[in-house]
Amino acid sequence: ELKVEQNPLFLSMQEGKNYTIYCNYSTTSDRLYWYRQDPGKSLESLFVLLSNGAVKQEGRLMASLDTKARLSTLHITAAVHDLSATYFCAVDLSSGTYKYIFGTGTRLKVLA
Amino acid sequence: DAMVIQNPRYQVTQFGKPVTLSCSQTLNHNVMYWYQQKSSQAPKLLFHYYDKDFNNEADTPDNFQSRRPNTSFCFLDIRSPGLGDAAMYLCATSSLFIAGTTNNEQFFGPGTRLTVL
Repeated sequence: ELKVEQNPLFLSMQEGKNYTIYCNYSTTSDRLYWYRQDPGKSLESLFVLLSNGAVKQEGRLMASLDTKARLSTLHITAAVHDLSATYFCAVDLSSGTYKYIFGTGTRLKVLA
Repeated sequence: DAMVIQNPRYQVTQFGKPVTLSCSQTLNHNVMYWYQQKSSQAPKLLFHYYDKDFNNEADTPDNFQSRRPNTSFCFLDIRSPGLGDAAMYLCATSSLFIAGTTNNEQFFGPGTRLTVL
């Protein structure tokens, strides 16, 4: 069964702290995407990771992909309240099916 | 700006009363998707179109149907909504090749929140 697991599922952290969200997947894939979702809103694309070793950074967020380990990380540096949201990773099945499998999501709350 | 548009943003219907949600895109993408997302859950793929080819997920209830009359538009029809169908419905598009790279990034519309009374 194809699975994409994120952890933690819930994360409460203080402003200024660092933390990492993990995305593990069980299928072969070399494409992985990170999304942010605010309450009641749609998904906003954060990062597109297209190969093993890919690393992307935007502001306080940095994402990486290790296709051999089937693992992606989303690292938060010096968190601020505005980063509070739910973060999803999604794995492209890369089998010509044009389908994604979404992770379980990580609900992040940054406390002032 | 190129974008994915969903209408309406909020839809209230009665139990058993058919409802249609619409999605349009100006990105000229060949793949369009419909997802259902319930509170505190990940989006769940209902079906997708690659051009005119329709692909239904095995666990999508028969109550849900879709139409794609042309590249720009896609509709989600719920024939007899039940209370369990109340959710956010997300439309997304993708194109296999963007800017010369193999990239299947999905672009999401703002969603339609469906309430069933």
